[in-house]
Amino acid sequence: SAVISQKPSRDICQRGTSLTIQCQVDSQVTMMFWYRQQPGQSLTLIATANQGSEATYESGFVIDKFPISRPNLTFSTLTVSNMSPEDSSIYLCSVETSGAQYFGPGTRLTVT
Amino acid sequence: GENVEQHPSTLSVQEGDSAVIKCTYSDSASNYFPWYKQELGKGPQLIIDIRSNVGEKKDQRIAVTLNKTAKHFSLHITETQPEDSAVYFCAAINYGQNFVFGPGTRLSVLP
Repeated sequence: SAVISQKPSRDICQRGTSLTIQCQVDSQVTMMFWYRQQPGQSLTLIATANQGSEATYESGFVIDKFPISRPNLTFSTLTVSNMSPEDSSIYLCSVETSGAQYFGPGTRLTVT
Repeated sequence: GENVEQHPSTLSVQEGDSAVIKCTYSDSASNYFPWYKQELGKGPQLIIDIRSNVGEKKDQRIAVTLNKTAKHFSLHITETQPEDSAVYFCAAINYGQNFVFGPGTRLSVLP
């Protein structure tokens, strides 16, 4: 398995600003993922972030809005840019190891 | 692409009873089926998984069964306890593809 931490755990932000979420894993992993979970909903994949390459974004998500960095095999960041109230969600970091996927505790974002 | 349906969306059981959640998938090439438990304010936790070469897997009070012909798999929780109350998500994956999650089931275990 993998132990994943995220910072911040929650934040309240004003519209038009940006927030960077950090994800730290306790072991080296090739594949990291960022998900969004809107209130009462399932998990929606934003992008896949592999070290040494550009992130791959899913339909409906673009790099300008959700830039991702993956500087090494244990760390990644997701930035939510130019936020609006519609961006209020839980953002989850996930890693794949040994064929299974594990999730961090999430970052609860509220945009006012 | 893969599509995963999950039923029921909500489930209430008395403490000590069994709970069953069922998922169906569309892509016959899917070969890995995990189940996640998400408690309020926490990230999803992998609780059990099954691969397509196995029909059933057990871990203490939880079990998962897979019917590849019918393309469905189920989570079984026996002797439910209040701490089993959570939202449960299933997922189906074809190796090398992205995980596709079901919409979730909110389980309430009533004391």
